[in-house]
Amino acid sequence: KQEVTQIPAALSVPEGENLVLNCSFTDSAIYNLQWFRQDPGKGLTSLLLIQSSQREQTSGRLNASLDKSSGRSTLYIAASQPGDSATYLCAVIGGNTPLVFGKGTRLSVIA
Amino acid sequence: DAGVIQSPRHEVTEMGQEVTLRCKPISGHNSLFWYRQTMMRGLELLIYFNNNVPIDDSGMPEDRFSAKMPNASFSTLKIQPSEPRDSAVYFCASSPQDSLGYTFGSGTRLTVV
Repeated sequence: KQEVTQIPAALSVPEGENLVLNCSFTDSAIYNLQWFRQDPGKGLTSLLLIQSSQREQTSGRLNASLDKSSGRSTLYIAASQPGDSATYLCAVIGGNTPLVFGKGTRLSVIA
Repeated sequence: DAGVIQSPRHEVTEMGQEVTLRCKPISGHNSLFWYRQTMMRGLELLIYFNNNVPIDDSGMPEDRFSAKMPNASFSTLKIQPSEPRDSAVYFCASSPQDSLGYTFGSGTRLTVV
């Protein structure tokens, strides 16, 4: 059974810092990996989708990498801003298994 | 496209009452998913459909939960009778058949008192 773990569970950084959020998964036979953002009381917004044949994806200040063999992904946020404060969720799809989520990293960027 | 549309946004009901949550997926998406989010357990898959057919309902917690997808543009999740422990946010999501990314609705926040 696929399990997704995100570390740290919570993170607080001063504005302007670069930061890395970590995600690991137990079954490396995945089709793709998706990073989401969730604001308090809101739904999930897709940030980046990495297909299994890819190693990274970039969107603006965000860069996500994927290492299938080690079962790891990282989300890099450059020059963090208070507006980046949210919970970031990592999720994987594999085999016949729909999206399996980690519990998320709650990020606070302090002005 | 308006995205995945869920209704209602909020639902407060008394224990024992029937609750029906609704979802309209993105047009052209062949797969639909129902998830439940709680603080303790995070996001859990309840059931999913491919081409309107239920594929895996092993995540449905009890027989009190049922889901239907009568056509490609509509799905319901029903809880009967509801219990306080069913209080959570219920999300619907859809994806193209080739699973190139999921799009989530805004969720229904259910409170059972």
